[in-house]
Amino acid sequence: GEDVEQSLFLSVREGDSSVINCTYTDSSSTYLYWYKQEPGAGLQLLTYIFSNMDMKQDQRLTVLLNKKDKHLSLRIADTQTGDSAIYFCADLMNTGFQKLVFGTGTRLLVSP
Amino acid sequence: DAGITQSPRHKVTETGTPVTLRCHQTENHRYMYWYRQDPGHGLRLIHYSYGVKDTDKGEVSDGYSVSRSKTEDFLLTLESATSSQTSVYFCAISAGGQGNRETQYFGPGTRLLVL
Repeated sequence: GEDVEQSLFLSVREGDSSVINCTYTDSSSTYLYWYKQEPGAGLQLLTYIFSNMDMKQDQRLTVLLNKKDKHLSLRIADTQTGDSAIYFCADLMNTGFQKLVFGTGTRLLVSP
Repeated sequence: DAGITQSPRHKVTETGTPVTLRCHQTENHRYMYWYRQDPGHGLRLIHYSYGVKDTDKGEVSDGYSVSRSKTEDFLLTLESATSSQTSVYFCAISAGGQGNRETQYFGPGTRLLVL
């Protein structure tokens, strides 16, 4: 079945850029998503990218998609302590219904 | 924020008791989903619904049933709770169709502890 993998942990200093990586195995992806989860909260949609795009920028967020290597990344510019959270990538598969497959999440810790 | 509420937000129950979790939406979206979140597994789909009275199984459906009698409500029932069902449960909704209508929006979660 489809597999989505992420590294478990990333630590950066405030003001630096953060890059969170994700790899997936599905060849029928339509959209790929990044969600943010703060402690004790639900998942908040950050951004998404259509599978025929290479890059999408949204303020401090830049998403890069390498479809050939099935690699997705989320870059957060000027990382702030408020960006500390768990970040999930998710792959929307083209299976006839909207099946969203999640990675295990990357915990980002931003230190002052 | 999408208009999604979940109740209860926290529940402690004993093994063998039935438990029902409720998801309520005000967006009139067609699709509704139940996920569970466990350490090391991300989110896994339990059941989903594509309309009133139309439901289907996800990847971890054993021990769970669902019902959707109204567009706005999607119920998840644990017929006889087990300790392995201790988890955080999330409801999600999506409009269905093409483009960003496929995007799923999540509720705040229900934290369930089965003793």
